[in-house]
Amino acid sequence: AQKVTQAQTEISVVEKEDVTLDCVYETRDTTYYLFWYKQPPSGELVFLIRRNSFDEQNEISGRYSWNFQKSTSSFNFTITASQVVDSAVYFCALSGSGAGSYQLTFGKGTKLSVIP
Amino acid sequence: GAVVSQHPSWVICKSGTSVKIECRSLDFQATTMFWYRQFPKQSLMLMATSNEGSKATYEQGVEKDKFLINHASLTLSTLTVTSAHPEDSSFYICSAERLAGVVYNEQFFGPGTRLTVL
Repeated sequence: AQKVTQAQTEISVVEKEDVTLDCVYETRDTTYYLFWYKQPPSGELVFLIRRNSFDEQNEISGRYSWNFQKSTSSFNFTITASQVVDSAVYFCALSGSGAGSYQLTFGKGTKLSVIP
Repeated sequence: GAVVSQHPSWVICKSGTSVKIECRSLDFQATTMFWYRQFPKQSLMLMATSNEGSKATYEQGVEKDKFLINHASLTLSTLTVTSAHPEDSSFYICSAERLAGVVYNEQFFGPGTRLTVL
């Protein structure tokens, strides 16, 4: 069975602060994929990143960066110099690979509030 | 980019009525679509996997007679909530899987449908 844990339910930061959202996963698959999605108040999921289990390189995209560590089964997400527009619920998700295994298991989400 | 639409975006209905939600992949074919339900301030929970031309696969605890899924074409899946009750009020989100052919089949999410049952 797959499981994704986002221990932080809600986080509040002041604008321009850096913030890290934690994600820990469990899976028995040797090949799997990890995701982060943003869900603003409108409800529509916004895809942020997909990382496969063989690629442990950290990734940076503008103010966003991701730290994937297989040794600790973690895939943390950092927003640098946070902005009010970053306020949303962020979900970490996991899927297996191979035929019929692409369904996503979501964490419970972390609500980020960026205060001006 | 791949686009998935849902219709309606929101619906209010009386208890006991049935509601149909459509999920369409607009610019790609999707042999597999997924239906999720999200209660307020909670995560997305997979309800069922919809496969074109065959019966849907429901997750444990989801009543297949209550949540009817039809995947009649490669671009359309429908979810019908039959005899809806207030506890069915939720945000329903679909996703469509685009075949990449090599490594990974990407999923694209629809904008969601907010159902309120009075």
